[in-house]
Amino acid sequence: RKEVEQDPGPFNVPEGATVAFNCTYSNSASQSFFWYRQDCRKEPKLLMSVYSSGNEDGRFTAQLNRASQYISLLIRDSKLSDSATYLCVCSTDSWGKLQFGAGTQVVVTP
Amino acid sequence: SAVISQKPSRDICQRGTSLTIQCQVDSQVTMMFWYRQQPGQSLTLIATANQGSEATYESGFVIDKFPISRPNLTFSTLTVSNMSPEDSSIYLCSVEGPQRRSYNEQFFGPGTRLTVL
Repeated sequence: RKEVEQDPGPFNVPEGATVAFNCTYSNSASQSFFWYRQDCRKEPKLLMSVYSSGNEDGRFTAQLNRASQYISLLIRDSKLSDSATYLCVCSTDSWGKLQFGAGTQVVVTP
Repeated sequence: SAVISQKPSRDICQRGTSLTIQCQVDSQVTMMFWYRQQPGQSLTLIATANQGSEATYESGFVIDKFPISRPNLTFSTLTVSNMSPEDSSIYLCSVEGPQRRSYNEQFFGPGTRLTVL
């Protein structure tokens, strides 16, 4: 079983709509959680960290559910530029070892 | 975040040869990491490179195949040795963010796209 699992998608989203997707993690000792964005043929870029109380950054909202071991990302008012692969990332320690999910592809259409 | 550069950005190599990838950061960082992203896959950590000590390799990766240098706090190299087509991948270095708002935020270099024939 993979440590971090994501629905690969694609999620086809009309421009202006809201899209949400989850990822599940298997290691209950995971302490840190992140969403990264990866555009085609580019490096991953940190979108946001995920805090226990949930957090929002503009149109993006991340939630953490420790009891069910999942993380969610919600994108409101989708823009064409939001089209990318969103990587869910977890870590169990403070020494930098990150576990990456395989990514969820989001395609925002005009 | 730190500005990270990698050289080369891409290369096409012959089976059995070796390629050294360089990672340069514009600020001093304690920890640098090397990842591999195979086609259609997500990122897998190869090793952690700390200045002044041996790199720490993840399961499935060995020093003979992926020797790493970390001569100072702004630079590291990863060598892919005795390459085979299975080594075709994107290799990325990353560093921890300078402002640790939370544990383990990492920032990635642009990657080196390697094709082995």
